[in-house]
Amino acid sequence: GESVGLHLPTLSVQEGDNSIINCAYSNSASDYFIWYKQESGKGPQFIIDIRSNMDKRQGQRVTVLLNKTVKHLSLQIAATQPGDSAVYFCAAQADTGFQKLVFGTGTRLLVSP
Amino acid sequence: EAQVTQNPRYLITVTGKKLTVTCSQNMNHEYMSWYRQDPGLGLRQIYYSMNVEVTDKGDVPEGYKVSRKEKRNFPLILESPSPNQTSLYFCASSLDPQGFGQPQHFGDGTRLSIL
Repeated sequence: GESVGLHLPTLSVQEGDNSIINCAYSNSASDYFIWYKQESGKGPQFIIDIRSNMDKRQGQRVTVLLNKTVKHLSLQIAATQPGDSAVYFCAAQADTGFQKLVFGTGTRLLVSP
Repeated sequence: EAQVTQNPRYLITVTGKKLTVTCSQNMNHEYMSWYRQDPGLGLRQIYYSMNVEVTDKGDVPEGYKVSRKEKRNFPLILESPSPNQTSLYFCASSLDPQGFGQPQHFGDGTRLSIL
């Protein structure tokens, strides 16, 4: 079955730096990917998504890159702010008839001033 | 405001005492789902529903029941809770009836402690 993993449990950055959070997935049939942000005491909040027919998608201060060859995606946050401190999850989904969303375990982003 | 609402947010109870966690969404979403979140294990799906009266098991359905009598509500029922069901629970909904290609929107969670 599908598995999704993030490369680092914790990432510490300085305010103003760019942050890169990585994620790997196992199922080559996965064709929809989502990044979520989870702040303490709250549910996962949608950040950005990307389909497998794209390599890159940009939002406000965030960019998701997808490399299907090595089954890897990353979330880039520009000019990281203290309010970006949270746990970030990637999730993958395959359109194979059973549309299960598989989540990684998350990377905690710590932003120091 | 578009949202998924769970109640209660916190509950401490004892083994064997039936409980229900309610979930309601106001976005007219077809797809709803329940997850549990445990340290080191990420989010795991318990049950999901693609429409009224249509529910199916996720990865960890044992010990749980759900119902979908109305589109907006998707309660999670623990008939006889046990300590291994102590966890953080999330309800989510999605516009697409199969939950594909549209982000799932999550409630703020229910922390259950079963003693």
